[in-house]
Amino acid sequence: EPEVTQTPSHQVTQMGQEVILRCVPISNHLYFYWYRQILGQKVEFLVSFYNNEISEKSEIFDDQFSVERPDGSNFTLKIRSTKLEDSAMYFCASSEILGIGAGGAGYTFGSGTRLTVV
Amino acid sequence: SQQGEEDPQALSIQEGENATMNCSYKTSINNLQWYRQNSGRGLVHLILIRSNEREKHSGRLRVTLDTSKKSSSLLITASRAADTASYFCAILTGGGNKLTFGTGTQLKVEL
Repeated sequence: EPEVTQTPSHQVTQMGQEVILRCVPISNHLYFYWYRQILGQKVEFLVSFYNNEISEKSEIFDDQFSVERPDGSNFTLKIRSTKLEDSAMYFCASSEILGIGAGGAGYTFGSGTRLTVV
Repeated sequence: SQQGEEDPQALSIQEGENATMNCSYKTSINNLQWYRQNSGRGLVHLILIRSNEREKHSGRLRVTLDTSKKSSSLLITASRAADTASYFCAILTGGGNKLTFGTGTQLKVEL
């Protein structure tokens, strides 16, 4: 079954450093997303991406965040200058069709990258 | 807030029993989805129900949707210890493409 792959699974970084979280969405999917989950809290939407541009973003997704699909395969989330409060699990997801996945099967999420800012 | 809110927050049952989790929301939706998350792991899509559907089944899962009450329920029948996880509802609204997740129900199925 196709998977969304995220790397690394765990990243520890110093406050103020830049981090890049990487994702390989399912190959025939057109819509890509980043979500995050602070420990013990809800899963929160960050950004959606379609046709090489951001289609929607949340208030959390400020100027410190950026996304890119550099090579038609990878989908990256960059945090320019990390803060302690950026520590969270970051999930990448993709879908074939806007709002739903193939056959109405929902989004496919990756296993996440646990980011720890120290 | 338009988020889904699940109840109960935590549920502990014996293997073989049924587990029912509820989700309420505040806005009109396109569809509602249920996800499962094992501790510290990724989100696994379980089932999607569209706003014009009232009930859907998938294996041991049964989802209902009442748009007049803005609520949904997820029933897991004949639960197993392996069903122990957190379960989240997520709503898709309007013309957007973001899912808004609820707070989740932590299910523990004991042997």
